[in-house]
Amino acid sequence: AQKITQTQPGMFVQEKEAVTLDCTYDTSDPSYGLFWYKQPSSGEMIFLIYQGSYDQQNATEGRYSLNFQKARKSANLVISASQLGDSAMYFCAMGPTGANSKLTFGKGITLSVRP
Amino acid sequence: DAGVIQSPRHEVTEMGQEVTLRCKPISGHNSLFWYRQTMMRGLELLIYFNNNVPIDDSGMPEDRFSAKMPNASFSTLKIQPSEPRDSAVYFCASSLSRGYTEAFFGQGTRLTVV
Repeated sequence: AQKITQTQPGMFVQEKEAVTLDCTYDTSDPSYGLFWYKQPSSGEMIFLIYQGSYDQQNATEGRYSLNFQKARKSANLVISASQLGDSAMYFCAMGPTGANSKLTFGKGITLSVRP
Repeated sequence: DAGVIQSPRHEVTEMGQEVTLRCKPISGHNSLFWYRQTMMRGLELLIYFNNNVPIDDSGMPEDRFSAKMPNASFSTLKIQPSEPRDSAVYFCASSLSRGYTEAFFGQGTRLTVV
């Protein structure tokens, strides 16, 4: 079974500053992927970034980077130079690789960017 | 590509009525997922299909819920009879089931059962 834990309360960050959103996971699968999604107030789920469990380097995608620490089973999302449009709910998710993979989501973290 | 298309976007129905939610996955994707999102329980996976075959329906809350995928381009989630506690946002998502691929979500259907 897989489990994603996101325990931070609502997060606040000043515009143009960086913020880290925490995610820890648990799995017995030897190979898996970790994902972050953004859900703005409009409700859609937007894929942000992916990290494979065997990737040697941390994933980056524009202003998003994933701080992957396999031994600690953590996959924190770092948003640099926050923008007002980054205010949203952020979900961490994971899934095993393979033909029948499915994503398990955490409860999410609310991020508010202050002007 | 048009992305994952769900219909309707909003549905208000009376308790006891049948509700059918529809989903068209991204062309070429062979995995399809139905999720339900509520404030209390977050995002829950209800069922997922691979190559049109249901692989895991352990998240389906009870027999009132059923899902079908008659072909690679269409899926339905049916609730019969509906109850107020079914009120939620229902998402459909699709992906390439080769691992290391993200799921793309539809806009969701906001269901309200009164």
